[in-house]
Parts: sequence; structure tokens; C-alpha cells
Amino acid sequence: NAGVTQTPKFQVLKTGQSMTLQCAQDMNHNSMYWYRQDPGMGLRLIYYSASEGTTDKGEVPNGYNVSRLNKREFSLRLESAAPSQTSVYFCASSDPSYNEQFFGPGTRLTVL
Amino acid sequence: GENVEQHPSTLSVQEGDSAVIKCTYSDSASNYFPWYKQELGKRPQLIIDIRSNVGEKKDQRIAVTLNKTAKHFSLHITETQPEDSAVYFCAAINRLNPSNFGNEKLTFGTGTRLTIIP
Repeated sequence: NAGVTQTPKFQVLKTGQSMTLQCAQDMNHNSMYWYRQDPGMGLRLIYYSASEGTTDKGEVPNGYNVSRLNKREFSLRLESAAPSQTSVYFCASSDPSYNEQFFGPGTRLTVL
Repeated sequence: GENVEQHPSTLSVQEGDSAVIKCTYSDSASNYFPWYKQELGKRPQLIIDIRSNVGEKKDQRIAVTLNKTAKHFSLHITETQPEDSAVYFCAAINRLNPSNFGNEKLTFGTGTRLTIIP
């Protein structure tokens, strides 16, 4: 049982490049989330998916798109990366049966 | 929407002393308040939580208190140890809000970096 996994762990992009961050969970959770973590800003929700086939904007969705490929996988895409998107990105999942939101190990993204 | 403020942003305490981190929230309907701990370079993990029908909850050296009238809640760590050094995040959610059914759309505080001085 791997929990929540993310790839890649590190990435450096140039301004304007695109990339997709991958997230998968093996806990059969319905809900999945993408956060970004910046110094002094805490965890801010980018997008979330309450169930397979549905996605909704969070607090800071601009510049991102998401795709809930199936129940296990939830990807985050940066179409044209900007330096302001330099951050650590965390994926998480949860289930209404439990209180806890389970986080992945994070992806450290630098945009030059 | 909900707004959660957390203080202090940094806190240093001597090993063995107590540490207190405070959070305030804006939505009086919020009814679930978890605390997450994030060690350096690691992922956040839930350490304790409290629901609005409870005033205090303890788990060994960790306790959380909730004051619904004042809309604030606090994390208390007693007999601090070096392994308590981490960033702590509070969060809040109104689980009775239909938009939150089936998901945990938490609003997080900005975090407190706790350093335990040996």
C-alpha cells in the first residue's frame, strides 16, 4: 500500500514550457486535491476532485488545469509555466469515512 | 469563504517546555478543525483534530482546545522533545456546507515553524 505517490520529485522549467505533474493513490479514495506550498503562505488549494469525472477550482486555479483520469489518478498541468509558479506542489486524497487528508511526497518545481 | 489566521509564524522553546500555537477562523459555521505536522522535507500529516461539539481533545503530549464563541482554536504541546521540531498547520472546514459534501476542502493557516532548543 503506497498511499499517495507523485512524479516527478523535482523539476526545473523555463518560462513558457509546459509540464504535467502526476498523482496516484491506492486507497480507493473518492476525493483528490492539488495544493501549492510557498514560504509563509501555507497550503493553498489549486483544484480538487470530489469524485471521478468531476473537478472544481480551489483558491488559486489560474495558470493550471487538472484531469481526473480515473479514481486513482489526478494530474496537474501547467500549460505555460511562469516564475510565479515556482513552488512545492502536493497532491492529497481523502475519503468521507475518515478524517485525515493523506498527502503525497511533493514535487519541487522551479521555473526560471 | 473561510479565512484562517495562525500565530506565531515562528516559535522556539526549550526542550521540556510547552508550546502553544493559536488559530482564528472567520466562518462561524466551521465545525471541524485538524492540525497537520510537516517535518523538514516531508509531507504534512494529521496529528490531531477536534469537532465543534467538543471543547478539548488530548492525545498524549498533544492537546487541542476550541472556543467557538471567540472562533479560535489552539494546539498545545507539553514536555516538548527535539522530534517536535516541524512546521504545524491548522485548518478549518464547515462539513455541513453542501459544497463540502464528499470532500475535505480545508482552509489552512499559514503555518508555524516550531524549533525545540536542546
